[in-house]
Amino acid sequence: GENVEQHPSTLSVQEGDSAVIKCTYSDSASNYFPWYKQELGKRPQLIIDIRSNVGEKKDQRIAVTLNKTAKHFSLHITETQPEDSAVYFCAASPQFSGGYNKLIFGAGTRLAVHP
Amino acid sequence: DTAVSQTPKYLVTQMGNDKSIKCEQNLGHDTMYWYKQDSKKFLKIMFSYNNKELIINETVPNRFSPKSPDKAHLNLHINSLELGDSAVYFCASSQVDSYTGELFFGEGSRLTVL
Repeated sequence: GENVEQHPSTLSVQEGDSAVIKCTYSDSASNYFPWYKQELGKRPQLIIDIRSNVGEKKDQRIAVTLNKTAKHFSLHITETQPEDSAVYFCAASPQFSGGYNKLIFGAGTRLAVHP
Repeated sequence: DTAVSQTPKYLVTQMGNDKSIKCEQNLGHDTMYWYKQDSKKFLKIMFSYNNKELIINETVPNRFSPKSPDKAHLNLHINSLELGDSAVYFCASSQVDSYTGELFFGEGSRLTVL
């Protein structure tokens, strides 16, 4: 089955710096790669996603890149702010077809942004 | 107007007891899920139902039994609770034919087994 590895497990940056989180997946059939943000004591929420037919996607200060050949994808956050502090999860879905998702999550990255 | 709601939010119980967690979504989605988040924050899928039919059943002890009376509800019953069952259980839903496949999570139910 699918296995998703995520690095680093913790990341500490100064406000205004960039943050990069990397993930690799094992199942070449995976075609959907979302990123979720979980603030302390809250539910995970989707912040950005990418399909396998796209190499990069941006939404304001966040961007995701996908390298299908190498089976890895990354989250980039620019101009970090204290409110970006949270746990970030990458995920991969080998069965997404507009229907149900068997999302396999990475272990999470705890991002701390210091003022 | 909460999209995915779970009850109870907190549950503290003794080993060996049986407990249930209820989940309801008002988004009109066809698919619902249960995820378990352990103390290390690892999120692992347990079950998924599509229109009341079980479609994903991961390697979960049969002490865990999901029930979906209709597509808006997915409940989780746990028998003979063990210490290792302590975790936060998240219910989620998604829409068939949704381009993004976004999962909408509930607020979580923190289960503590003593």
